[in-house]
Amino acid sequence: TQLLEQSPQFLSIQEGENLTVYCNSSSVFSSLQWYRQEPGEGPVLLVTVVTGGEVKKLKRLTFQFGDARKDSSLHITAAQPGDTGLYLCAGGRQGGKLIFGQGTELSVKP
Amino acid sequence: NAGVTQTPKFQVLKTGQSMTLQCAQDMNHEYMSWYRQDPGMGLRLIHYSVGAGITDQGEVPNGYNVSRSTTEDFPLRLLSAAPSQTSVYFCASSQTRPGGGPTQYFGPGTRLLVL
Repeated sequence: TQLLEQSPQFLSIQEGENLTVYCNSSSVFSSLQWYRQEPGEGPVLLVTVVTGGEVKKLKRLTFQFGDARKDSSLHITAAQPGDTGLYLCAGGRQGGKLIFGQGTELSVKP
Repeated sequence: NAGVTQTPKFQVLKTGQSMTLQCAQDMNHEYMSWYRQDPGMGLRLIHYSVGAGITDQGEVPNGYNVSRSTTEDFPLRLLSAAPSQTSVYFCASSQTRPGGGPTQYFGPGTRLLVL
């Protein structure tokens, strides 16, 4: 059983479309991080949210942490081919460890 | 400043062979960890270290050993490779425990195939 469920697992869209990726759990997390990973490379941290209800924006990307700190979403506005990659959410657990979701493979076609 | 480096980049092993995956960081980070990444399963924590001389198990430690003799290095040893250990292995480091929010930096990964 995956502690942190990401959806969808695969997403293929056209350039200019909007999309949302969800990260859900029944557990409370101390923090929620979003990473982006390109083929053949390690994940790179995009953002960390730590307060319930927190919203952070990074250019066309909007990240939200749920009020109860059990879920999070990543919204991309006007997706571009350069947004293509694997998006991973990770929740902070007791002891400071991170639990990762399964990942969302995003493909943005020109 | 190289960040987190890993060697080798690719490795093919036969069942039963042993090997060591190397990881080094030059950011003076206290916390280092090893993850494995398998399709559809995200990253799973194998072992981690909160400082030189201190290591602990993660979610999937069986078949792997680690040691942390210096702040910079955190090698992962496969004792007797099995096909189930075919995976991509990532080493990561952060100033403190990553669950508390500090940035965790990942290496480029080691792709391991066990035949």
